Amino acid sequence: AQKITQTQPGMFVQEKEAVTLDCTYDTSDPSYGLFWYKQPSSGEMIFLIYQGSYDQQNATEGRYSLNFQKARKSANLVISASQLGDSAMYFCAMREAYTGGFKTIFGAGTRLFVKA
Amino acid sequence: DAGVIQSPRHEVTEMGQEVTLRCKPISGHDYLFWYRQTMMRGLELLIYFNNNVPIDDSGMPEDRFSAKMPNASFSTLKIQPSEPRDSAVYFCASTSSTGGQTGELFFGEGSRLTVL
Repeated sequence: AQKITQTQPGMFVQEKEAVTLDCTYDTSDPSYGLFWYKQPSSGEMIFLIYQGSYDQQNATEGRYSLNFQKARKSANLVISASQLGDSAMYFCAMREAYTGGFKTIFGAGTRLFVKA
Repeated sequence: DAGVIQSPRHEVTEMGQEVTLRCKPISGHDYLFWYRQTMMRGLELLIYFNNNVPIDDSGMPEDRFSAKMPNASFSTLKIQPSEPRDSAVYFCASTSSTGGQTGELFFGEGSRLTVL
């Protein structure tokens, strides 16, 4: 069965510094996708970055990168040069390609606070 | 192209009343998801559809909840009768499985339900 774990309920980071948000997952499906979403205080869900289980390189999107360690089943989000606007809730999500179809489940989330 | 459209944005009702939440997915998307978000339980997948057919409704909490997708451009989530513990933000999301896309979810703005 799919399972996503985010063990950090809250994180603080100083503006302009880098921060890593942890995510571990569990699946028996050899093909899966991992996602990170951002939810600002306004409530909308914003897609940030995607990593496929067969991708050889870690995904990057601007200041976001995904530290994918397949053997450890971890998919940590790294935000470089934090900005005040990065303060938000961040969710890790997983989709299994075969056994779960397009079923996508989410972790509990990590609330990030960026300090000026 | 318009995003996922949900209505109503806010709903306040009394216990025992019927509530209907509506969703219009992005045109051309073949998957539609309903999620419920609460502080205590995070983002829970309630049900998802593929080409208008329900694929997995194991997350629907109980028989008071039902969802339909009569066509590719419309879905409803109904709660009857509603209870105070149903108070939450309900998100609809859609995605496409074709064209080599990653399958990231496109979320609506959510429907905030308060049951008194």
